[in-house]
Amino acid sequence: EADIYQTPRYLVIGTGKKITLECSQTMGHDKMYWYQQDPGMELHLIHYSYGVNSTEKGDLSSESTVSRIRTEHFPLTLESARPSHTSQYLCASSIGETQYFGPGTRLLVL
Amino acid sequence: QKEVEQDPGPLSVPEGAIVSLNCTYSNSAFQYFMWYRQYSRKGPELLMYTYSSGNKEDGRFTAQVDKSSKYISLFIRDSQPSDSATYLCAMTPGTGKLIFGQGTTLQVKP
Repeated sequence: EADIYQTPRYLVIGTGKKITLECSQTMGHDKMYWYQQDPGMELHLIHYSYGVNSTEKGDLSSESTVSRIRTEHFPLTLESARPSHTSQYLCASSIGETQYFGPGTRLLVL
Repeated sequence: QKEVEQDPGPLSVPEGAIVSLNCTYSNSAFQYFMWYRQYSRKGPELLMYTYSSGNKEDGRFTAQVDKSSKYISLFIRDSQPSDSATYLCAMTPGTGKLIFGQGTTLQVKP
């Protein structure tokens, strides 16, 4: 059973607002990931981290940024939200090659 | 052409049926293969994990990997309405980054 948490679960905000999506895990996993998933579509990797102070961009270009100051915490920030950012954002952590996912944050930008 | 191809369905079966879900892939370097189940508005949940070729069974679920054909399958026996979800295949050569299929939506009717 994986213990990975995301907050908020749902967020509706206006264009131009700065938002931070929180992700935390209690398993001590070094590797963490952020994915973006639109309805009926595959998961796209937007950021990943293999440890503290290590972050990389994923395969899908994203205007978001991430930080990894503590092993258990991997927040994602959008400086100025736009309607095109409306999507579901999934956080995951891994041990070996197996990834465990949080419940996701559904973001709606008006 | 996508690295991982998965028929999005939807697939509808009666309760008790045997379900076969499949993915094909093009990268012969893939060594680790996973199946995830995702309920609506939830994060993906790991179902099965297989390394290299062969079969793996867990209760009503059986995962098969045929590396020579670049083809993986998930079989669900005695399907239940609670199995209704989207099933995602995922794979990696061992880089820590997973490549996902688009997901197949399954509906099991009582």
